[in-house]
Amino acid sequence: GAGVSQTPSNKVTEKGKYVELRCDPISGHTALYWYRQSLGQGPEFLIYFQGTGAADDSGLPNDRFFAVRPEGSVSTLKIQRTERGDSAVYLCASSLRGGTSEVEQFFGPGTRLTVL
Amino acid sequence: AQSVTQLDSHVSVSEGTPVLLRCNYSSSYSPSLFWYVQHPNKGLQLLLKYTSAATLVKGINGFEAEFKKSETSFHLTKPSAHMSDAAEYFCVVTYYSGTYKYIFGTGTRLKVLA
Repeated sequence: GAGVSQTPSNKVTEKGKYVELRCDPISGHTALYWYRQSLGQGPEFLIYFQGTGAADDSGLPNDRFFAVRPEGSVSTLKIQRTERGDSAVYLCASSLRGGTSEVEQFFGPGTRLTVL
Repeated sequence: AQSVTQLDSHVSVSEGTPVLLRCNYSSSYSPSLFWYVQHPNKGLQLLLKYTSAATLVKGINGFEAEFKKSETSFHLTKPSAHMSDAAEYFCVVTYYSGTYKYIFGTGTRLKVLA
C-alpha cells in the first residue's frame, strides 16, 4: 500500500517568496503531523492535526507559517515571506489516530526547502 | 521537561561486529520511547518501540533495545552489523503537553566498514 507522500521533493525559492508544501497521508489515518529538520538535527515538531482541525500548533515558529487540512486528508504547509533560516527538510507524518503516546507515526520522504 | 540525548553523533563498526547506539532520556513521567532509522532519501522508519510492557524490546532487522529506568537509558543494539545498516538513527521520547508530541534526539550516523 502507499505510504506518506510529499510534494515537491525539492523546492528552491528566493527570500521573501511564498511557498506551499503538500502532504498526502496514508489513507484512513486521522492524525497528521508536520516537522522541520535542520541540517545535523533531529526533526522538530511544528503542528498536529486530528481530522480537519489543528489540535496543536505550538511548534510553528511564527505567524509566517500556517497549515491546513480542509478535508481531513491532504495537508498543505504554507510559508509566507520566506527567510534563509527557513531552509530545512520539512517532514510529514501520519498515524492511525492521535491522542496517545504509543501510536507509531509513519513518515514521508520530506521536502527539502532552500531559500536563496 | 522532557528531552533525549544521543551520546554519539557518529559510530563506525566493522561488518559482522556488534552495534551499540546510546540514548538517554529525561521525562517527568513514564515515557514511550522509539528508535527510528533514516536511510538517505527515504522516510524515517520505525525500528522498535517501548510502551511500558517488556523492558527488552525486539525490532526489525535484528535490532533490539532495553529500557532501563534506573539509568534513564534506551540503548539500541544489534549483535552483528550488516552493510545495509548504514544510516542515521534517531531516538524519540514522547511527552504530553496538551497533546502527545515526539521529541527527537539529534541522531547518530552509523557507518559500517567492509
